[in-house]
Amino acid sequence: DAMVIQNPRYQVTQFGKPVTLSCSQTLNHNVMYWYQQKSSQAPKLLFHYYDKDFNNEADTPDNFQSRRPNTSFCFLDIRSPGLGDAAMYLCATSRHSPGGDQPQHFGDGTRLSIL
Amino acid sequence: AQSVTQLDSQVPVFEEAPVELRCNYSSSVSVYLFWYVQYPNQGLQLLLKYLSGSTLVKGINGFEAEFNKSQTSFHLRKPSVHISDTAEYFCAVSVKTSYDKVIFGPGTSLSVIP
Repeated sequence: DAMVIQNPRYQVTQFGKPVTLSCSQTLNHNVMYWYQQKSSQAPKLLFHYYDKDFNNEADTPDNFQSRRPNTSFCFLDIRSPGLGDAAMYLCATSRHSPGGDQPQHFGDGTRLSIL
Repeated sequence: AQSVTQLDSQVPVFEEAPVELRCNYSSSVSVYLFWYVQYPNQGLQLLLKYLSGSTLVKGINGFEAEFNKSQTSFHLRKPSVHISDTAEYFCAVSVKTSYDKVIFGPGTSLSVIP
């Protein structure tokens, strides 16, 4: 089945130690998103790629970066994780434009813990 | 700008009882509407969507939603819930004429009581 896969499902890192989360998709969708979701809250969009075009949300901290080396893969880099960055990180894709009539397809997320 | 309100943060309901989860949105232009479900420790999964046409939309797992343009609402309903429906439910809105992002509501936690 075509899907969105996130690795790892659980990640533990130390305060200030860089960490990378990965996402791959077999849907061949143009758009890939990264969301941060804290407990009992809606997902918060960090940024998205439309093909190779990177679109950062205005309130996304500089500590968060992303790379999309090809259509299938997208990475979230947290350069110096703080305790407040502990959260579930969700990757999603959509066929075309971020808005409009296209639903998003989500991976199962990576739960990040900071020691 | 669009916004999405889900007035009920938590909804407890007994098994086999009906349930309605409320969603209201504000937008000055036409929108597309979605309901997503999130089971514990999983990502969001599309339940149903309203794009155009019939205002009553049927989705997966026996859920349906009704679009009401005059009340700017898109309430989700199920006539008889199961234990397995316990999850977080998110209403989402995107604007027809924009390629902007989707706006998610704050979510409603549905707890089905045996």
